[in-house]
This record gives sequence, C-alpha cells and structure tokens, in this order.
Amino acid sequence: EVQLVESGGGLVQPGGSLRLSCAASGFTFSDPYMDWVRQAPGKGLEWVGRIRNKGNSYTAEYAASVQGRFTISRDDSKNSVYLQMNSLNTEDTAVYYCARAPSYYASGIIDWGQGTLVTVSS
Amino acid sequence: QSVLTQPPSVSGTPGQRVTISCSGSSSNIGSNTVNWYQQLPGTAPKVLIYSNNQRPSGVPDRFSGSKSGTSASLAISGLQSEDEADYYCAAWDDSLNGMVFGGGTKVTVL
Repeated sequence: EVQLVESGGGLVQPGGSLRLSCAASGFTFSDPYMDWVRQAPGKGLEWVGRIRNKGNSYTAEYAASVQGRFTISRDDSKNSVYLQMNSLNTEDTAVYYCARAPSYYASGIIDWGQGTLVTVSS
Repeated sequence: QSVLTQPPSVSGTPGQRVTISCSGSSSNIGSNTVNWYQQLPGTAPKVLIYSNNQRPSGVPDRFSGSKSGTSASLAISGLQSEDEADYYCAAWDDSLNGMVFGGGTKVTVL
C-alpha cells in the first residue's frame, strides 16, 4: 500500500522559514516524480512544484507564486522528499500535500498524502 | 482565477446522472491528459480518473471521464449520498511548465 506521510507543519511568522518532509513507503521511491500541492483554508488545490527522478537529473519545476522562495529536494536513500519554504507570507497559509506522479512528461498525480498544515501569522 | 474552468456547484437527486465540465486551452487539456480528483470533507484528495478516462482499481464504474479538444468532463451516474464532495480536474500546462487545477466543483445530493 502506498503511503505518503507529511510532517514539519506548524506556526511560523511572516518572513520566516519552514521545512516540510514527506516519508514514502509502499513503492520504489526512486522511480516516480514527487509533487507538492497546497490548499488554503476553504479554497481549491494549488500546485506548488515537482521534482523529477535521478534519470531526469532531479530537475524541479515550481509555480510562479513560489518560484525563488521554495525549493523541493529528495533523498532516495531515505525515501523522502522535502519542501524548503523561505520568505513565507500569510498567503502561504495552507495544508500542504505531498503527492506521487508517474515518471513521464506531463504525468498526473496518482497518490496523495494526508497533508500538513502551515500557518503563517504574527 | 483558475486556469481550468469548472462550475462551482452541481446537484442531483439519488440515482440521477450528473456531469462536471472542465474547460482549458491548447496548452493544457488540448495537449495533455486530464486527471480528476475527489475530495471528501476534511480529507485529502483521491484520484478518481487518470489519463482522461481510466479508473484506478477500487473506484466504482459509476464514475467516468472523457476528453474532447480543450475540454473534459466527469460523469457520475447513479448518484449516491456518499458522492457529496468537491471534485477537481487537473492537467499539465506546457506554457506554464506546471500542473494546473480547476477551481473545484461541489456536488450536492439533494
């Protein structure tokens, strides 16, 4: 059974930083692309970014709203993917989901974690 | 304003068939496959349809997806009370070089 378990959420002040982790199990972690998607309270889903696999040089893409502030990384030896968030502002308040996508161009997300809440507030 | 356009809400009575539309452009739906997600209240999204019309194992065949040109649709036949949820379409956008979602459609069973 595929499991994606996020951690690291919490309360952070505007301008601060936070690092989210996602521990994966139930599949060969090194194969798929890994995404982060967020959902602000009462709002819809917003894609944050994607990191590809080793065969695709671990390249990453980001949404314009987080480009330059957020960084996605992965450690295949630890079956984990990370989201480093810097220069946070109140609009980044959301539940952040880790997700898995097959390793081909334009693939869609097929599995989701349960999410972790990030609150940016003074 | 979402890149993919969905109706905010649809409703139906038990047993009815409802459809949810998802309108995009040549750079997303017109070029790439569409996935549909169901989000029950207070839970994480779950994939209902992938690659336009494929159902993962465990998803009832009451759910079906289709795509034509730059639009896609999700149909729910034999509507049940447990189908009350938010539904999202998604596709990769070649111009934005990222995934785009619809704004979501709330399905209400009357």
